[in-house]
Amino acid sequence: DAMVIQNPRYQVTQFGKPVTLSCSQTLNHNVMYWYQQKSSQAPKLLFHYYDKDFNNEADTPDNFQSRRPNTSFCFLDIRSPGLGDAAMYLCATSLRGWRLYNEQFFGPGTRLTVL
Amino acid sequence: GQQLNQSPQSMFIQEGEDVSMNCTSSSIFNTWLWYKQDPGEGPVLLIALYKAGELTSNGRLTAQFGITRKDSFLNISASIPSDVGIYFCAGHGLGGGATNKLIFGTGTLLAVQP
Repeated sequence: DAMVIQNPRYQVTQFGKPVTLSCSQTLNHNVMYWYQQKSSQAPKLLFHYYDKDFNNEADTPDNFQSRRPNTSFCFLDIRSPGLGDAAMYLCATSLRGWRLYNEQFFGPGTRLTVL
Repeated sequence: GQQLNQSPQSMFIQEGEDVSMNCTSSSIFNTWLWYKQDPGEGPVLLIALYKAGELTSNGRLTAQFGITRKDSFLNISASIPSDVGIYFCAGHGLGGGATNKLIFGTGTLLAVQP
């Protein structure tokens, strides 16, 4: 089945130690998103790629970076994780084209713990 | 960031009961989406609505796109224990252009007592 895959599902890192989360998709969608979700809150968009074009949200800290080496893969890099970065990180995809433009499909998420 | 007003915030019901939740906005939207999120998992798309007045069903779920384009509701009929989770509405505004950005509701936590 076509899907959005996130690895790892659980990640533990130390305060200040860089961490990379990965997302891959078999949907062949041209838009990929990274969201941060804290407990009992809605997902918060960090940035997205439309093909290779990177779009950063104005309030996304510089500590968060992203790479999209090809259509299928997208990475979230947290350069110096702080305790406040502990959260669920969600990857999503969408297909830009007519009405499917707005439907986003989410992966299962990576739960990040910062010690 | 901007959020949609979603109500109720939480619901605790008995198995077999019907459930209704809604989202309202001060802005016009051209798309309404309803997602369900299980604990520790990502949101799963339940229903997508694209036209004012549109009424769409997916099994026991029914959602409607409000005529004013500023609201949407989701109904679940004959609830079962696996309906437990957080339900989010999400909207995409007119003139969203290249941003493709969804605005999420605050979520409704649903608990179903067997």
